Amino acid sequence: KNEVEQSPQNLTAQEGEFITINCSYSVGISALHWLQQHPGGGIVSLFMLSSGKKKHGRLIATINIQEKHSSLHITASHPRDSAVYICAVRPNFGNEKLTFGTGTRLTIIP
Amino acid sequence: ETGVTQSPTHLIKTRGQQVTLRCSSQSGHNTVSWYQQALGQGPQFIFQYYREEENGRGNFPPRFSGLQFPNYSSELNVNALELDDSALYLCASSFPGRNTIYFGEGSWLTVV
Repeated sequence: KNEVEQSPQNLTAQEGEFITINCSYSVGISALHWLQQHPGGGIVSLFMLSSGKKKHGRLIATINIQEKHSSLHITASHPRDSAVYICAVRPNFGNEKLTFGTGTRLTIIP
Repeated sequence: ETGVTQSPTHLIKTRGQQVTLRCSSQSGHNTVSWYQQALGQGPQFIFQYYREEENGRGNFPPRFSGLQFPNYSSELNVNALELDDSALYLCASSFPGRNTIYFGEGSWLTVV
């Protein structure tokens, strides 16, 4: 079993829909990252969370440390949101190594 | 724009050859990590360098090696390339004590 599990693996939605992507992890963490990867391969950091909730534009990320679960929400989705969204965790101790989920491929249809 | 640049962006090598991938980080980012991402998978940690010393390693064989230089650039070297080494190689850097991580665009390696 992977230390970081994401669901769903693939998600297709109509433009304007509210999107939720989930991430569960099994280790103690000091931080959780939500990342966006476009087909060219480059990764952009969206959020870094250690507790609570963060919002940036139409994106909202929440984390529940006790339940070892985080969600990424996209409101009023747009075709340009189409990408792979990856959850990555940094363990409590040691170096800054990240453990990644396998990603959620999001496609927004106009 | 993350300030992290990788080169080359794409390359093709033959099995058994050696490859060097390069990463240039922002000034002051003295922690750099390298990741391998196979098609359809999440990135896997190869190793991390801090102040030019290896500071952690994932489950990769010794033919994967690295260097970090005082000018915040780094290299990933892979010897005796195998077909399964075909992947996107990502470099990520951060400023000490800060949680934000900056990724490069990656280097696509194809081994034939």
